[in-house]
Amino acid sequence: NAGVMQNPRHLVRRRGQEARLRCSPMKGHSHVYWYRQLPEEGLKFMVYLQKENIIDESGMPKERFSAEFPKEGPSILRIQQVVRGDSAAYFCASSSSWDRVNYGYTFGSGTRLTVV
Amino acid sequence: EDQVTQSPEALRLQEGESSSLNCSYTVSGLRGLFWYRQDPGKGPEFLFTLYSAGEEKEKERLKATLTKKESFLHITAPKPEDSATYLCAASNSGYALNFGKGTSLLVTP
Repeated sequence: NAGVMQNPRHLVRRRGQEARLRCSPMKGHSHVYWYRQLPEEGLKFMVYLQKENIIDESGMPKERFSAEFPKEGPSILRIQQVVRGDSAAYFCASSSSWDRVNYGYTFGSGTRLTVV
Repeated sequence: EDQVTQSPEALRLQEGESSSLNCSYTVSGLRGLFWYRQDPGKGPEFLFTLYSAGEEKEKERLKATLTKKESFLHITAPKPEDSATYLCAASNSGYALNFGKGTSLLVTP
C-alpha cells in the first residue's frame, strides 16, 4: 500500500504563475482533504472532496484557489497567479467513510511551494 | 471562535524522563480530538482519536487522555526516536481538523 502520494514534493513558481499540486489517495479511499501549513502556523483546513464533488470548501481563499477530485485520476489543488504569501507546505489527507475512528486521516508527505 | 492551543511549544527531555503534553480546546460540539506525530519534512502520522471525556488510549510509550476542555499526551520513559512534533487537532464537523501549532519534543540520550 503506497499510502497517500503527493507530487511534486517541491515546487518553485514565479509570482503570477500557476501552481498545480496533485494528490493520489490511498487505495480504497474516496475522501480527500487539503490542508495548508504556513511557516510558524498550524495546519489549516482548506477543502474536503469526494469523487466529483466538493463537500466543504470553507477554508479555501475566495480567489485564485480551486480544487477538484475527478472520477479518474488524482485530486488537484490549483493556485492561479501565485503570490509570495502562497509559499507554504500543502498537505493532502485521505480516508474512507468507516476507518476514521481507528485510523484517522492518512496524510501525504506534502508539497512545498516556494513563490519567488 | 474554535481554538486549539498546545503547550509547551518546545520540550526537551532526557531519555527515560516521563512528561506530558497539553492540548486545550474550545470547540463547540466536539466530534473527535486527534493526536498526530510529525517528523521534519514529513506529513502528520496518526496516533489517536478520542471522542468523549474520560476516554483514554495507549500505544507503546504514549497515552492520550481527554477531559471536557483538555487532552494530554503522556510520554512514559521516552527514547530518542520519540523526538518529533506532536500535533493536536479538534473537529466539530466530523471531517475538518482544527490543528494546534504543535509541541516540538526533543529526547536526548
